[in-house]
Amino acid sequence: AQTVTQSQPEMSVQEAETVTLSCTYDTSENNYYLFWYKQPPSRQMILVIRQEAYKQQNATENRFSVNFQKAAKSFSLKISDSQLGDTAMYFCAFETSGSRLTFGEGTQLTVNP
Amino acid sequence: EPEVTQTPSHQVTQMGQEVILRCVPISNHLYFYWYRQILGQKVEFLVSFYNNEISEKSEIFDDQFSVERPDGSNFTLKIRSTKLEDSAMYFCASRWDRGNTIYFGEGSWLTVV
Repeated sequence: AQTVTQSQPEMSVQEAETVTLSCTYDTSENNYYLFWYKQPPSRQMILVIRQEAYKQQNATENRFSVNFQKAAKSFSLKISDSQLGDTAMYFCAFETSGSRLTFGEGTQLTVNP
Repeated sequence: EPEVTQTPSHQVTQMGQEVILRCVPISNHLYFYWYRQILGQKVEFLVSFYNNEISEKSEIFDDQFSVERPDGSNFTLKIRSTKLEDSAMYFCASRWDRGNTIYFGEGSWLTVV
């Protein structure tokens, strides 16, 4: 069974600074997809970024980027120039060709003014 | 941008009552999902639906749960006899194909009293 681990239940960062959220996963599959979802207080699930395991290049989406280390099964999210609106719960998620998403426990990020 | 819509946004029901949660997936999507998030916990997969049948379900999705796509646009989750532990946010999601981005609705918050 696949598992996703987020070891940081809570993190905080000052506005305009950079923060990195950690995620590790366990799988025996070779082809899979990784995602970061953001859940603000409204509780909606918003896709932040996705990474295909077969791609060596790290995905980037504006201020959000990932550090994907396939051999280490690590998938961290870096948020640059943090903004107050980035305050949310962040979930790392994993999917194989079998179509279900497996989520981590989440990291509550607070951006302080 | 197309979106997944869910109704109701919040429902309070008495234990033992039947509940139907409704979802309208994005129109050209082929894969449909229900996920659940108990307050303070991670998001959990319930069921996936493709080609008018369940393609995968989790151990949570027992005989009390059922899904239906009655008219080609709606996708419903029915809980036959609600229990206190069914209190959670229920997310509907859809996507075009495996590996593509899964889009989540805003969730239906179910409170069982």
